[in-house]
Amino acid sequence: QQQVRQSPQSLTVWEGETAILNCSYEDSTFNYFPWYQQFPGEGPALLISISSVSDKKEDGRFTIFFNKREKKLSLHITDSQPGDSATYFCAASIYQGGSAKLIFGEGTKLTVSS
Amino acid sequence: DMKVTQMPRYLIKRMGENVLLECGQDMSHETMYWYRQDPGLGLQLIYISYDVDSNSEGDIPKGYRVSRKKREHFSLILDSAKTNQTSVYFCASSLRRGDTEVFFGKGTRLTVV
Repeated sequence: QQQVRQSPQSLTVWEGETAILNCSYEDSTFNYFPWYQQFPGEGPALLISISSVSDKKEDGRFTIFFNKREKKLSLHITDSQPGDSATYFCAASIYQGGSAKLIFGEGTKLTVSS
Repeated sequence: DMKVTQMPRYLIKRMGENVLLECGQDMSHETMYWYRQDPGLGLQLIYISYDVDSNSEGDIPKGYRVSRKKREHFSLILDSAKTNQTSVYFCASSLRRGDTEVFFGKGTRLTVV
C-alpha cells in the first residue's frame, strides 16, 4: 500500500519561530515530493517541491530537507508569520502507467500565533 | 488569470439522488483529476482524465463516474448518492500527462442527507 504519513497532525508556533513539519513514505520508487499549502475555503496550492536526487531545497523562508535512506522529509518554515497559518500537505509522486500520480499525506494544520 | 473553476461550491442532496459536479479549466491542460478530501485522510484520488474520453480510475472510484467531452471540462457524477459520499470534492488539472505540478480548484462541499 502506497502511503505518505505526516506529523504532527497540528502544530502551533509563535510568530518568528521556526515551524517543522514532518513527512515519511514507504515506497522507494517515489521520486518527487511536493508540499501543498491550503487555506480554509481554498484548494491546495503548490508551495515548494523536491526531487529524490536532492537533499535540500530552499525557497525564501521555506526549506525542504530530504533523507532518502530513511524515507523522510521535512518542511521548515523560518520566521513564521500569522499568514502562514494553513494546512500543509506532503505528497509523493509515482510514475505509473505512463502518468504521474500524487499520493497525499493527511496534512498538518499549522497555526502561527502573534 | 489561469484557474480551475468548480460549480457549485456548496450542495446539499438527499440520499439516493443523482449528483453532478462540474469543473472547468482555462489553461488548455490535458490532464484533469477529481479528488475528495476528508478530515484526517488528506486528498484521495477518485478519477484521472488524460484527455477527452480518456479516463482512468484512481484509488477510490467506487460509487463515482466521470465524463470529459471537452478538454476544458470534466464532470464528476454520483449516481444515487450515499451519506458516506459527504465530503469536499476538488477538481485539479496539470498541463500534460506525467506533469507533477497540479492546479486545484476551490472545491465543492457536498452534503448527502
